[in-house]
Amino acid sequence: SAVISQKPSRDICQRGTSLTIQCQVDSQVTMMFWYRQQPGQSLTLIATANQGSEATYESGFVIDKFPISRPNLTFSTLTVSNMSPEDSSIYLCSATPIYRDRITEAFFGQGTRLTVV
Amino acid sequence: GESVGLHLPTLSVQEGDNSIINCAYSNSASDYFIWYKQESGKGPQFIIDIRSNMDKRQGQRVTVLLNKTVKHLSLQIAATQPGDSAVYFCAENGNQAGTALIFGKGTTLSVSS
Repeated sequence: SAVISQKPSRDICQRGTSLTIQCQVDSQVTMMFWYRQQPGQSLTLIATANQGSEATYESGFVIDKFPISRPNLTFSTLTVSNMSPEDSSIYLCSATPIYRDRITEAFFGQGTRLTVV
Repeated sequence: GESVGLHLPTLSVQEGDNSIINCAYSNSASDYFIWYKQESGKGPQFIIDIRSNMDKRQGQRVTVLLNKTVKHLSLQIAATQPGDSAVYFCAENGNQAGTALIFGKGTTLSVSS
């Protein structure tokens, strides 16, 4: 298993500003991901955070809006840039080991609740 | 027990009943499926998973059934307890590389005592 810590747990931000969310995993994992969850909705995959290279973004998400870093196996950041009220959501970090090239259970952090005013 | 044939956003059961939550997945290439439980203010918590070479897997009080023909997944919870009240999500490794989980719509399970 893996324990995932996210910071901050919540924030209220002014529109037009940017927020960087940090994700720390307590063990080395192969894959890390970022999701968005709007109130009462399911989780939507934003991107796969690749170590040492550019993240792989899902349709509808772009690097300029959601730059992602992953400098090592246990740490990643997601920045929400030039925020608008539509960015108000919960952002979740996830990590999973890939065992023998097969995906296994993904672990989740508690999430960052972002409100943009 | 209480069961639903199609996905419903909410399911209400009495304590002690069996619950069945259904999910339709979208990507026929997916080969890994998983159920999560999410309580208010928390991240999703693993319940049980299954790979495409199986059609049934059992855990403690939970069973997952996979029907690849109709791309359907179900979660059965035996003797449902008030502590089981939460939102339940199914997920599949449905991104292009097959390495990330794509989540389905959730079902809110309410258990009354």
